[in-house]
Amino acid sequence: GAGVSQSPRYKVAKRGQDVALRCDPISGHVSLFWYQQALGQGPEFLTYFQNEAQLDKSGLPSDRFFAERPEGSVSTLKIQRTQQEDSAVYLCASSLIPRVLKGADTQYFGPGTRLTVL
Amino acid sequence: AQRVTQPEKLLSVFKGAPVELKCNYSYSGSPELFWYVQYSRQRLQLLLRHISRESIKGFTADLNKGETSFHLKKPFAQEEDSAMYYCALSGLGNDMRFGAGTRLTVKP
Repeated sequence: GAGVSQSPRYKVAKRGQDVALRCDPISGHVSLFWYQQALGQGPEFLTYFQNEAQLDKSGLPSDRFFAERPEGSVSTLKIQRTQQEDSAVYLCASSLIPRVLKGADTQYFGPGTRLTVL
Repeated sequence: AQRVTQPEKLLSVFKGAPVELKCNYSYSGSPELFWYVQYSRQRLQLLLRHISRESIKGFTADLNKGETSFHLKKPFAQEEDSAMYYCALSGLGNDMRFGAGTRLTVKP
């Protein structure tokens, strides 16, 4: 079956531009996560959705970052007025069950979107 | 605060040699620990989790709460084990905290 997909795979933006990154989770997966991975680092949590509800956005680095999942499936991460420090790989992951049922969920990752801000 | 430390950025062993990738964590409660792996040109995927106490591709990891460690071990490394390995911790919150990763190279 199809895994998690993300688009675009690569995005180059000029500083100050707005960008939108898309994530298509595995069909039927309740939980959706966004991570930011800077060069040479591990993924850093950004935000979590359970269906359409954004239950945790504690990892969003600034109010320029906004995520939505309006129908509980596809999610979009939007970055306004991009800065050079936003350059990173943005990973999306989904899992079948709600996050509260810990110990049983496996997160399935997408291939990531590599954002470069010039 | 929860933190995951992987002290080795790079690790190189010869085929057939034992390998141990170190992971230490900081967390006040009872965490769940995971190892994720990323092979060349592939996406990040779960290798194993401590709660399952399983062996995947010959790898095992034991949670040592006294030493707050979750080292990944394999007795005989294979060339196909060459990859980036990330240790990750999940606590009470919704976030998963990853270490910076260790790049394992298994030489022929």
